[in-house]
Amino acid sequence: GAGVSQSPSNKVTEKGKDVELRCDPISGHTALYWYRQSLGQGLEFLIYFQGNSAPDKSGLPSDRFSAERTGGSVSTLTIQRTQQEDSAVYLCASSSSGGATGELFFGEGSRLTVL
Amino acid sequence: EDKVVQSPLSLVVHEGDTVTLNCSYEVTNFRSLLWYKQEKKAPTFLFMLTSSGIEKKSGRLSSILDKKELFSILNITATQTGDSAIYLCAVRNNYGQNFVFGPGTRLSVLP
Repeated sequence: GAGVSQSPSNKVTEKGKDVELRCDPISGHTALYWYRQSLGQGLEFLIYFQGNSAPDKSGLPSDRFSAERTGGSVSTLTIQRTQQEDSAVYLCASSSSGGATGELFFGEGSRLTVL
Repeated sequence: EDKVVQSPLSLVVHEGDTVTLNCSYEVTNFRSLLWYKQEKKAPTFLFMLTSSGIEKKSGRLSSILDKKELFSILNITATQTGDSAIYLCAVRNNYGQNFVFGPGTRLSVLP
């Protein structure tokens, strides 16, 4: 695709429900990142995928969070049993070289609101 | 743990003013420092800095890195209302692949 595509753009859910957020990176990009941005805060690293290597999951805040990347392309971030503190914008980014040139291409994000 | 601090957190100026945004960092085995501009949702890349003292410039924006004092500045001259955004600083080390972001500086340029 022309850019990083994320869906849904907005999601409102009730506490305790599971949600799935999708990221479709730029075609050919081997590196994919998930970040979380709470209101007025910077970007919090969640997880990183590079090619067929094992993902770096060091940023996932709890075992309710998981992510997978199928076929080295589309990624899904799953949050189980959502809590109100999970409310944030979830940003996905991709890069052609693991970010070696510094340029991450970000999607427009998925805004999650947990009531 | 790698850490990035930005100042000021918020800044309001008038068109034509010059602004300097600050980023200081603590990182184990530094690799690079990056600046991004976030206007709505998707941050866009501005600069990547790896060496001290070498200014990177793009139009009215410029940035420089001091690896001894562990900081970088982003300068914007002759500001315009279109410069209003959140400016994010991030660092990367040589161990992992993730970028550690600071809280950002929210710049508002008034007409």
